[in-house]
Amino acid sequence: GAGVSQSPSNKVTEKGKDVELRCDPISGHTALYWYRQSLGQGLEFLIYFQGNSAPDKSGLPSDRFSAERTGGSVSTLTIQRTQQEDSAVYLCANSPGQGKYNEQFFGPGTRLTVL
Amino acid sequence: GDSVTQMEGPVTLSEEAFLTINCTYTATGYPSLFWYVQYPGEGLQLLLKATKADDKGSNKGFEATYRKETTSFHLEKGSVQVSDSAVYFCALTHSGGSNYKLTFGKGTLLTVNP
Repeated sequence: GAGVSQSPSNKVTEKGKDVELRCDPISGHTALYWYRQSLGQGLEFLIYFQGNSAPDKSGLPSDRFSAERTGGSVSTLTIQRTQQEDSAVYLCANSPGQGKYNEQFFGPGTRLTVL
Repeated sequence: GDSVTQMEGPVTLSEEAFLTINCTYTATGYPSLFWYVQYPGEGLQLLLKATKADDKGSNKGFEATYRKETTSFHLEKGSVQVSDSAVYFCALTHSGGSNYKLTFGKGTLLTVNP
């Protein structure tokens, strides 16, 4: 497709379960970001991938959160042992490469609800 | 660290009214500044940007000028429409390192009534 896609669009899970969120980026866009949008905290950076470089994980809130990007394309964000405070919309964003001038293109998000 | 402060919402206006949403920032160096918009039921999309001091970004009748002396990037539109109802986010990109993550303000909900 032409834009960033994310799946699932909605995920309801029970506290303590693991979840996987998927991001399919724009072809050829080498920079990939994950953000979290929650009522209390607004939009927060989680993790950044650029090409084959080691990811910048500085925004991950705890070691229950991890992400990978396979072959420089699809990315998966995993949350282990989910907690109620993990409930949020998780957004994936892409840009053509490094640089502060580059627009980031956002996916529609995955709304995660932890019961 | 970097931070963005934007005016608290919600903002409610009548159609054709003048809009200003204030945004100020704290950052080292020379960040790029952005306004993103989130229409109801849709994803975040870039509205406009400015990459250096005194630059004016504009799109769809919206404008914002990068003011380094006041560390501000206020969003303005001369005559709003019902279709402008959305949440508006001011954001910046850090100018150092290789991670050009966006730092966002809290967002301002705009409702335009006919």
